[in-house]
Amino acid sequence: EPEVTQTPSHQVTQMGQEVILRCVPISNHLYFYWYRQILGQKVEFLVSFYNNEISEKSEIFDDQFSVERPDGSNFTLKIRSTKLEDSAMYFCASGPGTREAFFGQGTRLTVV
Amino acid sequence: RKEVEQDPGPFNVPEGATVAFNCTYSNSASQSFFWYRQDCRKEPKLLMSVYSSGNEDGRFTAQLNRASQYISLLIRDSKLSDSATYLCVVNSYNTDKLIFGTGTRLQVFP
Repeated sequence: EPEVTQTPSHQVTQMGQEVILRCVPISNHLYFYWYRQILGQKVEFLVSFYNNEISEKSEIFDDQFSVERPDGSNFTLKIRSTKLEDSAMYFCASGPGTREAFFGQGTRLTVV
Repeated sequence: RKEVEQDPGPFNVPEGATVAFNCTYSNSASQSFFWYRQDCRKEPKLLMSVYSSGNEDGRFTAQLNRASQYISLLIRDSKLSDSATYLCVVNSYNTDKLIFGTGTRLQVFP
């Protein structure tokens, strides 16, 4: 069964450092997403990406965040200068349309 | 008012029991509805979409009441493996984003 894969599974970084979280969406999907979940809280939307551009973003997704699809398979989330409050589980998701989304196993980001 | 509201639980039920979860949403323009399941420290997994006519998948039945802005999930004959957090998820017309509830935790005991 096709699945979304994310790397790394766990990333520890120092405050102020840049991190890049990587995702390989399901191959025939057209819509790509990043969500995050702070420990003990609900899953929150960050950004959606379609047709090689951002289609929607939340208030969380400020100018410290960026996304890229550098080739036909990878989808990345970059945080330029991490803050302690960026510590969370980051989930990549993809979908064939704008309805269902299938999630990767997540990257746990810890900012120290 | 929260966009998607769920009773956090936990619901502690014995194996074989029937359990129901409810969810309300605030945006009447919401168009698509889902139940996801999330195990501890894992990703949300799509359990089922929810249609206006109601739908069933094995032991799971989902219902939607648009007038009351209310979604339900019924689990029959609970298994130990059903223990998880059940997330009510909606999205609105002309938006891509999914809006998650905080989830309802289910613990099935032997």
